[in-house]
Amino acid sequence: NAGVTQTPKFQVLKTGQSMTLQCAQDMNHNSMYWYRQDPGMGLRLIYYSASEGTTDKGEVPNGYNVSRLNKREFSLRLESAAPSQTSVYFCASSLMDRGRTGELFFGEGSRLTVL
Amino acid sequence: QKEVEQDPGPLSVPEGAIVSLNCTYSNSAFQYFMWYRQYSRKGPELLMYTYSSGNKEDGRFTAQVDKSSKYISLFIRDSQPSDSATYLCAMSGTASKLTFGTGTRLQVTL
Repeated sequence: NAGVTQTPKFQVLKTGQSMTLQCAQDMNHNSMYWYRQDPGMGLRLIYYSASEGTTDKGEVPNGYNVSRLNKREFSLRLESAAPSQTSVYFCASSLMDRGRTGELFFGEGSRLTVL
Repeated sequence: QKEVEQDPGPLSVPEGAIVSLNCTYSNSAFQYFMWYRQYSRKGPELLMYTYSSGNKEDGRFTAQVDKSSKYISLFIRDSQPSDSATYLCAMSGTASKLTFGTGTRLQVTL
């Protein structure tokens, strides 16, 4: 069982370039999330999608856009990358029940460096 | 002030020691409390999930929640080198998203 799969695992960008991080889950979860993890800052929520067709901003949404393509896939786009977006990005999914999030299952992470 | 505070460590203990990891929080609406373990260059994985106050035990791991003090703990008994990882606390209220602590790095030495 693959769980949550993220691509690419590593990426180096120049300032101003754009890119999309892809995420897919095969657990039939309704909720999906994008986090970034920086030293001393912990995991910070960028965007989330409580169910197919909905997306909401998290704690640090500026500079990012998301698309919930279908129930399985949730992509994160950087339109014009900045050095401050150098980070490790994690996609996660969960089965939300009556508005309460259950266990989050995380992907392996995507390491992004913006020069 | 952050909603969730966690000492980043690193915490170094000898094999077999009892480890105590802690988080404090400020949001009284938090009802669901979790501990995640994250190995180097991997995604976090859920260790313990508790609701409201009280204790929960799973093998060598015990999670405690004291809502009156806004304080949660994770105890690891008979610690092993394989327990060396970063431990993240996380919590939520009735909303759909979790708030994470910054993580405590634990090193268990032989």
